Amino acid sequence: EVQVVESGGGLVQPGGSLRLSCTASGFTFRAYAMTWVRQAPGKGLEWVSGIGGSGGSTYYADFVRGRFITSRDNSKNTVYLQMNSLRAEDTAVYYCAKDRHMTPFYYMDVWGKGTTVAVSS
Amino acid sequence: DIRMTQSPSTLSASVGDRVTITCRASRNINDWLAWYQQKPGKAPKLLIYKASTLESGVPSRFSGSGSGTDFTLTVSSLQPDDFATYYCQHYNNYSRTFGQGTKVEIK
Repeated sequence: EVQVVESGGGLVQPGGSLRLSCTASGFTFRAYAMTWVRQAPGKGLEWVSGIGGSGGSTYYADFVRGRFITSRDNSKNTVYLQMNSLRAEDTAVYYCAKDRHMTPFYYMDVWGKGTTVAVSS
Repeated sequence: DIRMTQSPSTLSASVGDRVTITCRASRNINDWLAWYQQKPGKAPKLLIYKASTLESGVPSRFSGSGSGTDFTLTVSSLQPDDFATYYCQHYNNYSRTFGQGTKVEIK
C-alpha cells in the first residue's frame, strides 16, 4: 500500500523550532517529489514547500522562506521539514504529500493524515 | 504569484442534485489545474488533474472542465459521501496555489 506518515508535531513556543518527519512506503521514494501543505484551524489548504526526488531542488512559500528547510533522506524514505523561528500564525495541521512526478511542479496524489503544530506561549 | 478564486464559498444542495463549482485563475494557466476533496478531519483526496482527467478510482459522477483562466468541477448527481470541501490547485510552477475552498453542505 502506498502511504506517507507524518510525525513530529507538537506544542512549541514562539521563536522555537520543530522538525517534522514524513516516512513513505509502497513506492520508489527517490522517483517522486514530495510536498508539505498546511491547514490552519478552520482555514483552507496552503502550499508550504516542495522538494525534488533527488533532493537537489527545494522550493518554499514566501511566508516560510528563510525559516523552514525541507530535506530528504532517500535511504530512509523520509522527508523532513525543519521549522525555525516559529510564529503563532504557523499553527496548523501539516500534511506531507507525494507528488505525481519527480519534480515538485505537479499535483499530489497521496497524502498523509497530517501532524499538528501549535505555536503558543 | 497566480491567485486562484473559487465560487461559491459555500453551496447548499440535496442528494441527487447536479453541483458545479467554479475556479478562476488570475492569469492563464492552460490546463494545469487539479481538484481535491477534503472531509472534516481528513486529508485531501485528489479527484481530477490536468483540468479534466479523472484520478483512478474516483467515481465518474465527478468531472472537470476548463482551460486558461476558468475552470469548473461538476458532480452530476450528488451522493451522501460527496458532502465535503473542494479545493482547486494550480500547478506547473514550484509555487502551487490553492483556491480558498468550496464547502458543499446538505440543504
